[in-house]
Amino acid sequence: NAGVTQTPKFQVLKTGQSMTLQCAQDMNHEYMSWYRQDPGMGLRLIHYSVGAGITDQGEVPNGYNVSRSTTEDFPLRLLSAAPSQTSVYFCASRARDSSYNSPLHFGNGTRLTVT
Amino acid sequence: EDKVVQSPLSLVVHEGDTVTLNCSYEVTNFRSLLWYKQEKKAPTFLFMLTSSGIEKKSGRLSSILDKKELFSILNITATQTGDSAIYLCAQHSGAGSYQLTFGKGTKLSVIP
Repeated sequence: NAGVTQTPKFQVLKTGQSMTLQCAQDMNHEYMSWYRQDPGMGLRLIHYSVGAGITDQGEVPNGYNVSRSTTEDFPLRLLSAAPSQTSVYFCASRARDSSYNSPLHFGNGTRLTVT
Repeated sequence: EDKVVQSPLSLVVHEGDTVTLNCSYEVTNFRSLLWYKQEKKAPTFLFMLTSSGIEKKSGRLSSILDKKELFSILNITATQTGDSAIYLCAQHSGAGSYQLTFGKGTKLSVIP
């Protein structure tokens, strides 16, 4: 049972380059989200999706795009990488639950360095 | 201003000690409070608290919520080196979609 799978695990980019961080889950979860984790800042929400075809912005969306064409996949695109985007990125998903009793399940993260 | 505040930010204890980690949160549209443990990689879920005064327990870990004073505590008894991790507290609030607001975490180091 794979859960939430993120690729790549590590990535180094130069300023101005673009790339896509991949996230896939095999639990048929409707809700998926992207967080970044920086030292001393905790986890901050970038974008989220409540189902295929639906996405919305979180707390820190600038410089990132997302799309949700399938239930399983939720890629995060960096349009033009900046050193401020150096961070560890986590994808997380949860089951549809109108009473909100299902917790988030996290992937193992992608460590991104922008030089 | 941070919505979820954890204290202390770091803590070093010896094996066998008991520790208490604190988390204060905002009342606005509160739905639940969650605790996660993060070792080297993904945060893993520990507890979800929605009702005040009801302790949740898993082995040596326990947690309780006080909705009047707007805080939660995570207790770890008889600590082991494997308890060394960052402990994250998160608040779920707001109507509609599911969004968590995380605190900055407490880094716990357990030394032999």
